[in-house]
Amino acid sequence: QQQVKQSPQSLIVQKGGISIINCAYENTAFDYFPWYQQFPGKGPALLIAIRPDVSEKKEGRFTISFNKSAKQFSLHIMDSQPGDSATYFCAASPNIMTTDSWGKLQFGAGTQVVVTP
Amino acid sequence: NAGVTQTPKFQVLKTGQSMTLQCAQDMNHEYMSWYRQDPGMGLRLIHYSVGAGITDQGEVPNGYNVSRSTTEDFPLRLLSAAPSQTSVYFCASSSGTGHSEAFFGQGTRLTVV
Repeated sequence: QQQVKQSPQSLIVQKGGISIINCAYENTAFDYFPWYQQFPGKGPALLIAIRPDVSEKKEGRFTISFNKSAKQFSLHIMDSQPGDSATYFCAASPNIMTTDSWGKLQFGAGTQVVVTP
Repeated sequence: NAGVTQTPKFQVLKTGQSMTLQCAQDMNHEYMSWYRQDPGMGLRLIHYSVGAGITDQGEVPNGYNVSRSTTEDFPLRLLSAAPSQTSVYFCASSSGTGHSEAFFGQGTRLTVV
């Protein structure tokens, strides 16, 4: 049973549009929320990450919004480009003070994003 | 800089055969792990290691074995391949300091017939 639920499974957006991917979690011990981007035939690569002490983090056209009370976080891709076509995974990891948290990184099921020209 | 290198990239096995997926990293990372990726399931942790000589089970360890004799290498062994182990396997490494970035290899696509 996945500890991080991700939606939608796939989405198609036109060039210049906004892509939004949502994730939800239950484990309140999670305190680190990275997003990974994966191109076909490649391994995932870190895109952006957030900790729950901030509600939003922006890096270029990519923004994470975080709602601690709702236990939800989302990725927004602004001005989507064909080069953004990839699979995106949200993930969560427990507090590093409690256990060997790195080994406990939990991934969502992934969202395949297709940006049409 | 090579990063995380996995071999082979593709493999077809018959049911019952055994094999080892190789993983090596050149970043002197302490933490290494193996994931499997299946459609609609995301990445699921198989085994991980927090340093040479130390390994532990992840979410889906059954049918797999690991060892970590050096910092650089973390091989994954399939003891007796089953069709349910058809998947794409990724090895990852991290420095382990705080919530550090995980670096992934390019994956091994395994088919068990």
